[in-house]
Amino acid sequence: DAGVIQSPRHEVTEMGQEVTLRCKPISGHNSLFWYRQTMMRGLELLIYFNNNVPIDDSGMPEDRFSAKMPNASFSTLKIQPSEPRDSAVYFCASRPGQGQETQYFGPGTRLLVL
Amino acid sequence: AQRVTQPEKLLSVFKGAPVELKCNYSYSGSPELFWYVQYSRQRLQLLLRHISRESIKGFTADLNKGETSFHLKKPFAQEEDSAMYYCAPDSGTYKYIFGTGTRLKVLA
Repeated sequence: DAGVIQSPRHEVTEMGQEVTLRCKPISGHNSLFWYRQTMMRGLELLIYFNNNVPIDDSGMPEDRFSAKMPNASFSTLKIQPSEPRDSAVYFCASRPGQGQETQYFGPGTRLLVL
Repeated sequence: AQRVTQPEKLLSVFKGAPVELKCNYSYSGSPELFWYVQYSRQRLQLLLRHISRESIKGFTADLNKGETSFHLKKPFAQEEDSAMYYCAPDSGTYKYIFGTGTRLKVLA
């Protein structure tokens, strides 16, 4: 298994543009997480899906952020419109179930909003 | 409220010196404790978890329920240990709360 796959790996965009980040979890995993990593705040959980259903989106910072999981093998995180303060590394992670299990992280998308 | 604290943002040690990365948590119930590591420009990956009681890359972590701590230790640091380390208690709900992380720098 290739592990969790994210694309793009790097994204540079201008303020006001729409940004879409993509994630393919490990096959068979039914929990998916989106995190944001910054120097100031560390790793923050943005949203959690279980069986493709959003369970907790309380970490999504604003209405500009939205996430979808149309099927078990694909999820997107969208920022529209983007702002410079959204610059961060965004990680996707998946986990086999809901219990106390290891999370498997993707390589991350490094986003820079100018 | 559930909380995890890693008091040191940066820890610098010389090669061959002992290392201790601190983690304190405030959780109800019996969380499972994890340490994750992120090497430069790489993805986060599991280093070790309490339930497996393994020693990974020479690191161990002891759960102290009385002090609610899960400090990560290694007797002799190596340069390749330089990385970002995150403590993450898991209460059994879906929600991990990661600590803010400790950057370990091992100096030659």
